[in-house]
Amino acid sequence: QQPVQSPQAVILREGEDAVINCSSSKALYSVHWYRQKHGEAPIFLMILLKGGEQKGHDKISASFNEKKQQSSLYLTASQLSYSGTYFCGTLGGSNYKLTFGKGTLLTVNP
Amino acid sequence: DAGITQSPRHKVTETGTPVTLRCHQTENHRYMYWYRQDPGHGLRLIHYSYGVKDTDKGEVSDGYSVSRSKTEDFLLTLESATSSQTSVYFCAIKGDRENEKLFFGSGTQLSVL
Repeated sequence: QQPVQSPQAVILREGEDAVINCSSSKALYSVHWYRQKHGEAPIFLMILLKGGEQKGHDKISASFNEKKQQSSLYLTASQLSYSGTYFCGTLGGSNYKLTFGKGTLLTVNP
Repeated sequence: DAGITQSPRHKVTETGTPVTLRCHQTENHRYMYWYRQDPGHGLRLIHYSYGVKDTDKGEVSDGYSVSRSKTEDFLLTLESATSSQTSVYFCAIKGDRENEKLFFGSGTQLSVL
């Protein structure tokens, strides 16, 4: 079953912040985040494992609350290059069956 | 960049014909995946493999079969293509460790007329 992402789409001006949420109805082992530009393959952003850790890469960070079966991706001081579709992927258990959400389309305007 | 190649990159076929898509990797990764991507549906898992001759179904496996006779190759077959299988197909690979990411291929655009 696909995890649920929200919002479906968001439009920002350069420099603004955004949060993308990902939730699952089943217990999670880990959460992946990827970004896809139009016409290209998805590119890895980060992985969060059980333990409630928060990771960051440049001005993009994420948190994972395994008790709530939720993860959030935080984009601060957005840049034009952040535009794209963001996907969360979830792993339940250790079977390596990675299931993705429907994606969140992020548009950053000048 | 990870060594993963999908072929063909584009294909147009007719309803009822068999179609095979190939994913080839040079990374010796254990796990391989086939996803389809359609507007409004995101990436949906078709089948995946956790080793040679070891495969399992994903969310949308009906109408598809897979085979993995070698570590480096993962084939996706549409036995009798239908228009609903028009989509972009992505192959992905992943290493053994729990914190390893997926590497995606460039995708195959399949049109079934």
